[in-house]
Amino acid sequence: DTGVSQDPRHKITKRGQNVTFRCDPISEHNRLYWYRQTLGQGPEFLTYFQNEAQLEKSRLLSDRFSAERPKGSFSTLEIQRTEQGDSAMYLCASSAGIGRSEKLFFGSGTQLSVL
Amino acid sequence: RKEVEQDPGPFNVPEGATVAFNCTYSNSASQSFFWYRQDCRKEPKLLMSVYSSGNEDGRFTAQLNRASQYISLLIRDSKLSDSATYLCVWEGTNKLIFGTGTLLAVQP
Repeated sequence: DTGVSQDPRHKITKRGQNVTFRCDPISEHNRLYWYRQTLGQGPEFLTYFQNEAQLEKSRLLSDRFSAERPKGSFSTLEIQRTEQGDSAMYLCASSAGIGRSEKLFFGSGTQLSVL
Repeated sequence: RKEVEQDPGPFNVPEGATVAFNCTYSNSASQSFFWYRQDCRKEPKLLMSVYSSGNEDGRFTAQLNRASQYISLLIRDSKLSDSATYLCVWEGTNKLIFGTGTLLAVQP
């Protein structure tokens, strides 16, 4: 499977714990995005990387959230001191970023439940 | 005002019906628009891009009205397999902005 892969698929954690998610984009894609989606809502933009550079972060991304893409390939999203409001589907997407109207390819997401 | 607004539905239609969704956007500088489809518990996938001149892909037709700042999606001859959430999307700076989605349920 050469699509975007995310791990884990599901994560259940207790409030206050730290969690880390991984995303492996399509290999030739230089752009990587993290989105968050809650029930009944569309995906909300969190952050964006071009290669290893994090070029934009949403105001939704509090200082408890950090994302990295150290070698311009896979990316990790860490949430520290989780809160119940962090419960959501975390979606990773990648694109080739060639010209405008780029197509995003999404992974299956990591469903986070904070108890 | 939200950047992208959609009627959440649900739209319950019989097989074979024609159904249309509209989506309004607030940023008049927006250049590129898309419709994405999301099946229940699945990731969003690109359905089609939306061009100013309108574009058609089989039973699906997308239109862009820049003067009124809305885009539309028309589905003809609905199939059971069309049941999904349809997300209106515009391209902002360095990211895609998604609407809340419109739920379509095609009934046998």
